[in-house]
Amino acid sequence: GESVGLHLPTLSVQEGDNSIINCAYSNSASDYFIWYKQESGKGPQFIIDIRSNMDKRQGQRVTVLLNKTVKHLSLQIAATQPGDSAVYFCAEIGGQFYFGTGTSLTVIP
Amino acid sequence: NAGVTQTPKFQVLKTGQSMTLQCAQDMNHEYMSWYRQDPGMGLRLIHYSVGAGITDQGEVPNGYNVSRSTTEDFPLRLLSAAPSQTSVYFCASTTQKYPRNTEAFFGQGTRLTVV
Repeated sequence: GESVGLHLPTLSVQEGDNSIINCAYSNSASDYFIWYKQESGKGPQFIIDIRSNMDKRQGQRVTVLLNKTVKHLSLQIAATQPGDSAVYFCAEIGGQFYFGTGTSLTVIP
Repeated sequence: NAGVTQTPKFQVLKTGQSMTLQCAQDMNHEYMSWYRQDPGMGLRLIHYSVGAGITDQGEVPNGYNVSRSTTEDFPLRLLSAAPSQTSVYFCASTTQKYPRNTEAFFGQGTRLTVV
């Protein structure tokens, strides 16, 4: 099957700093990608998505970058807040949803 | 609008017991799926359904059965529970498999322990 992986399993940032979470994917046919946020004891929640015909997409305090050449996408969170502490998954959709293992983000007050 | 509802939230089973994890959605979504989440493994697809009466296997289907008699419900059955099935299970639904520009809505999860 296809694989989606995250470079770093944990990330700690100071409150107010920017966070960058990375993700690698392997299926060059995937044309849609989603970032999910999962808080403890809850199901994943949609953050932002991007289609393969885009390089960048911005939301509220979040930006997703897609580099199809190296099959890499990243999630940037601006001015990280304590409420951003969670596990973040990237998912590639190429027929099915394939999820990465997740990066645990801890925001230090 | 309840979204995706999973029951139960917690369950302890003895090895060899059977049970059904319930999943219901009220968004009239065609596509539903079940995942298990294990530490360091991410979300792995167990079974999925593209519509009522249609089911298919995902990445880790062994030990699980599903059915899709209605659009709303997609139960997951463990016929003979094993300790290896201890995990957190998530049900998800989305409007359709194609085009691929829709997010998946997840339930709150079922934490299953098999002893």
